[in-house]
Amino acid sequence: KAGVTQTPRYLIKTRGQQVTLSCSPISGHRSVSWYQQTPGQGLQFLFEYFSETQRNKGNFPGRFSGRQFSNSRSEMNVSTLELGDSALYLCASSASGQGGTEAFFGQGTRLTVV
Amino acid sequence: GESVGLHLPTLSVQEGDNSIINCAYSNSASDYFIWYKQESGKGPQFIIDIRSNMDKRQGQRVTVLLNKTVKHLSLQIAATQPGDSAVYFCAENRPGTASKLTFGTGTRLQVTL
Repeated sequence: KAGVTQTPRYLIKTRGQQVTLSCSPISGHRSVSWYQQTPGQGLQFLFEYFSETQRNKGNFPGRFSGRQFSNSRSEMNVSTLELGDSALYLCASSASGQGGTEAFFGQGTRLTVV
Repeated sequence: GESVGLHLPTLSVQEGDNSIINCAYSNSASDYFIWYKQESGKGPQFIIDIRSNMDKRQGQRVTVLLNKTVKHLSLQIAATQPGDSAVYFCAENRPGTASKLTFGTGTRLQVTL
């Protein structure tokens, strides 16, 4: 069974641009969560989608948004990029949307904003 | 302003010894916990989980202990190997937050030969 796949692996963008990251969960998993990892703040929850609906959202500005498609694949978008958005963006998939179930991460997308 | 890097505690262990990594979690309502291992340049890798109705769970070479009274988790790795060198995170899941995980700051495990 394939794991969680995130594309692209690396990305360099300029301040003010926007970016879209993609995540394909494990087959059969319907919950996709996104996290930001930085040396300064550690791993922080961005949002979670289940059956195309956002169910939970972290404390990030509205520039960060996401969506989920009917095949459970998810995308996150960051608009008007800032230098501080440079981070490793991680996606995790779970079979159930109820919590209390194993969550598996992808390799992440390393975003550098210059 | 500039962000200051989190100071990761480091545990240095000799190959073949047992390792114990500790984690204090924040919310007494949390009822599900996961330990992850993260190697440089990779995403977190699931190691083992435990629910709040248990106080111990064993996997292959790993054991997780949960002490709800003091909100403490530990991960024990038996016969530590060089491949165990990584940063280890505990994560907690709270009822009513669906699959949201709240992560600890992590501990770096260095295995010396």
